[in-house]
Amino acid sequence: AQRVTQPEKLLSVFKGAPVELKCNYSYSGSPELFWYVQYSRQRLQLLLRHISRESIKGFTADLNKGETSFHLKKPFAQEEDSAMYYCAPSLESQGSQGNLIFGKGTKLSVKP
Amino acid sequence: DTAVSQTPKYLVTQMGNDKSIKCEQNLGHDTMYWYKQDSKKFLKIMFSYNNKELIINETVPNRFSPKSPDKAHLNLHINSLELGDSAVYFCASSRGLAGVYEQYFGPGTRLTVT
Repeated sequence: AQRVTQPEKLLSVFKGAPVELKCNYSYSGSPELFWYVQYSRQRLQLLLRHISRESIKGFTADLNKGETSFHLKKPFAQEEDSAMYYCAPSLESQGSQGNLIFGKGTKLSVKP
Repeated sequence: DTAVSQTPKYLVTQMGNDKSIKCEQNLGHDTMYWYKQDSKKFLKIMFSYNNKELIINETVPNRFSPKSPDKAHLNLHINSLELGDSAVYFCASSRGLAGVYEQYFGPGTRLTVT
């Protein structure tokens, strides 16, 4: 079965510390991968996508096909990074029409 | 200018009732979605519409029926509400396939069934 795993439900770091939010996927093909973020009292929004290879708000994510991972990283966490982060690979199986499957999310808490 | 809007923002109702949640997007997108976010923040797709046609219908009870009167609207009607339906429901839209294009989410509708 195709699925995505975010093993950490909660990740707590201090301001200035490096942060890595893990995401592993199991798909038969080569999915497109996204990270979405939900800040407190705000709507879910796209943070970054694999295909664009950008760094957004200091975050980067590298696709590792060997490990089937798409971990989200930031070298120095800021308090405003505190939010819920969702890894979302897209399905490419027939009939799914590029549907996104969201991981269960990791709540990042950055302490002062 | 709100890109994706939902009404109502909060909905409290009793078991057995029928309710609707409305969603509108002014982005000119072809594809719209409904997601359910449970109390543990787990986000799961329910339906996907492309140009007013249903393209994805995940394992959702048939008490849930989406209706797309036009490309800019995707409403969610729920019959015979149950306690387990309590959740936050998010509407979203994208220019095309979700696996390629960014999804824009609405603010969510918090449904509480008592």
